[in-house]
Amino acid sequence: DAGVIQSPRHEVTEMGQEVTLRCKPISGHNSLFWYRQTMMRGLELLIYFNNNVPIDDSGMPEDRFSAKMPNASFSTLKIQPSEPRDSAVYFCASSAPIGTSGAKNIQYFGAGTRLSVL
Amino acid sequence: AQSVAQPEDQVNVAEGNPLTVKCTYSVSGNPYLFWYVQYPNRGLQFLLKYITGDNLVKGSYGFEAEFNKSQTSFHLKKPSALVSDSALYFCAVRQNTNAGKSTFGDGTTLTVKP
Repeated sequence: DAGVIQSPRHEVTEMGQEVTLRCKPISGHNSLFWYRQTMMRGLELLIYFNNNVPIDDSGMPEDRFSAKMPNASFSTLKIQPSEPRDSAVYFCASSAPIGTSGAKNIQYFGAGTRLSVL
Repeated sequence: AQSVAQPEDQVNVAEGNPLTVKCTYSVSGNPYLFWYVQYPNRGLQFLLKYITGDNLVKGSYGFEAEFNKSQTSFHLKKPSALVSDSALYFCAVRQNTNAGKSTFGDGTTLTVKP
């Protein structure tokens, strides 16, 4: 398996523009997590899905952020409108269903999308 | 609620010396505990986990961690550090339920000098 795939790897945009980050989880995984990493606040969980359903979005900073998971193999994180303080590295991670031997409970992270909002 | 504390922002050791990266946690019930490592410009990678059983857990790259329930700790250790171990290390905890999120610590930067 290619692992968790995120695109784009880098995004530079201007304040006010819409930004869409994409994630393809590992095939067979049923939980998906979006994180944001900054020097100031470290690693923050934004939202996570279980079986394509959002379970906890309490980490989403405000209404400008939205996330969707239309099917088991794709998720998006959208920021509209973007602001300079949204500049960060955004990670997607997925994990296997409970009961899967060996890999259960482990989160597998993508390489991240480095977002710069000017 | 669950939380993780990594009391040291930075740990410096000389190559060949033992290393310890500290982690304490708070969670309701029995915990699932994890260590992840992040190299520059990369995502986090799983190192090891404690779910149940033996309190001493062995993981990738010669790392191990000891679960101590009375001290609510899960310190990461390695007997002999390598320069290539230099990275950012995260401890994480979650409740042992069928679904749920992990809470990550703030991370500890490990620097191993030749």
